[in-house]
Amino acid sequence: DGGITQSPKYLFRKEGQNVTLSCEQNLNHDAMYWYRQDPGQGLRLIYYSQIVNDFQKGDIAEGYSVSREKKESFPLTVTSAQKNPTAFYLCASRVQGRGTGELFFGEGSRLTVL
Amino acid sequence: GQQVMQIPQYQHVQEGEDFTTYCNSSTTLSNIQWYKQRPGGHPVFLIQLVKSGEVKKQKRLTFQFGEAKKNSSLHITATQTTDVGTYFCAGTTQGAQKLVFGQGTRLTINP
Repeated sequence: DGGITQSPKYLFRKEGQNVTLSCEQNLNHDAMYWYRQDPGQGLRLIYYSQIVNDFQKGDIAEGYSVSREKKESFPLTVTSAQKNPTAFYLCASRVQGRGTGELFFGEGSRLTVL
Repeated sequence: GQQVMQIPQYQHVQEGEDFTTYCNSSTTLSNIQWYKQRPGGHPVFLIQLVKSGEVKKQKRLTFQFGEAKKNSSLHITATQTTDVGTYFCAGTTQGAQKLVFGQGTRLTINP
């Protein structure tokens, strides 16, 4: 079955540590996105990628980094520079970055900083 | 930058009552999408509207896109407990590469 797989589902981290969240899709989509969701709030865009080996900052990129070495994969690293990293992280993809087209979301990764 | 405002933030209704959430953009949109997120889940695409004044229906759900393509609404007739969740609108401006999400409206229902 096609879809987006995020891992881990839950992650605990100590302050000062970097963590990497995995996002893999087998939908053959060109565009991939990372969103952050805080309780009672909407989705805020962290980074997005239209094509392999290229990505752009979203609205809240500070303290995060990404890579897009393969079409299927778009991992997100939450660095120690991110001041308030505890949140629900959602990865999404769609056929193309521009124009129309629904977003398909993974089930999310919940990060808690202890 | 582009902003999408969504109201109300919360809505609690009795089962069987109607529900409406509104979405307003600071700029003209090329299209608007609606998503539903169940408690503890991830957003799931509901519909996309593209044309000015467009109205689409999905069973008890009615979606509208304003004439100026700056606002949209989602109306649920006779809510059921399965409608519980947070509803998000998300808009794209012409030629843009990203969707901008509204803050969402969280719907709770008293059975």
